[in-house]
Amino acid sequence: KAGVTQTPRYLIKTRGQQVTLSCSPISGHRSVSWYQQTPGQGLQFLFEYFSETQRNKGNFPGRFSGRQFSNSRSEMNVSTLELGDSALYLCASSLSSEDGGIAFFGQGTRLTVV
Amino acid sequence: GQNIDQPTEMTATEGAIVQINCTYQTSGFNGLFWYQQHAGEAPTFLSYNVLDGLEEKGRFSSFLSRSKGYSYLLLKELQMKDSASYLCAVRGSTLGRLYFGRGTQLTVWP
Repeated sequence: KAGVTQTPRYLIKTRGQQVTLSCSPISGHRSVSWYQQTPGQGLQFLFEYFSETQRNKGNFPGRFSGRQFSNSRSEMNVSTLELGDSALYLCASSLSSEDGGIAFFGQGTRLTVV
Repeated sequence: GQNIDQPTEMTATEGAIVQINCTYQTSGFNGLFWYQQHAGEAPTFLSYNVLDGLEEKGRFSSFLSRSKGYSYLLLKELQMKDSASYLCAVRGSTLGRLYFGRGTQLTVWP
């Protein structure tokens, strides 16, 4: 059974650009969550999607957005990139949102903004 | 607010036993997770507790006391490869969201 797949693994962008990251959950998993990890702040919750609907949102500015497709794959977009957006972006998938289920993480996308 | 506390660093020697503690204060409780994260890699799932008591899985065990807002991860027969950051995470009343501690960096010495 394939795990959570995130693409790309590494990305270098310049300030002001935008970026789109992709996450394919474990087959059958309908909930996808996104987290930002930095050395200073640890793992911070961005948002969670379930059945193509954003169910939860963290305290990030509107430059961070996401969506989920009918096959449960999810994308997140960051517009007008800032140096502080450099981080490891992780997505996690779980079986359902009713009882939460165990959240499994992808390998992450390492974003560097220069 | 939500608060997850765990020690920043711990050290131990090969073959020893180490216990990593985690205390939490969250709005609601729907499970506590432990993840292992090696440098530059993604967190990997270790254990999940939703009821009080001890869950054992090989060399790793995790304990939960909901009344005390307390959990620990017990690692036995430590190996060098166990050197990593160990993350405690709690699912509160919002099912699709985990609240993470800052992680405990464990260093295992030969």
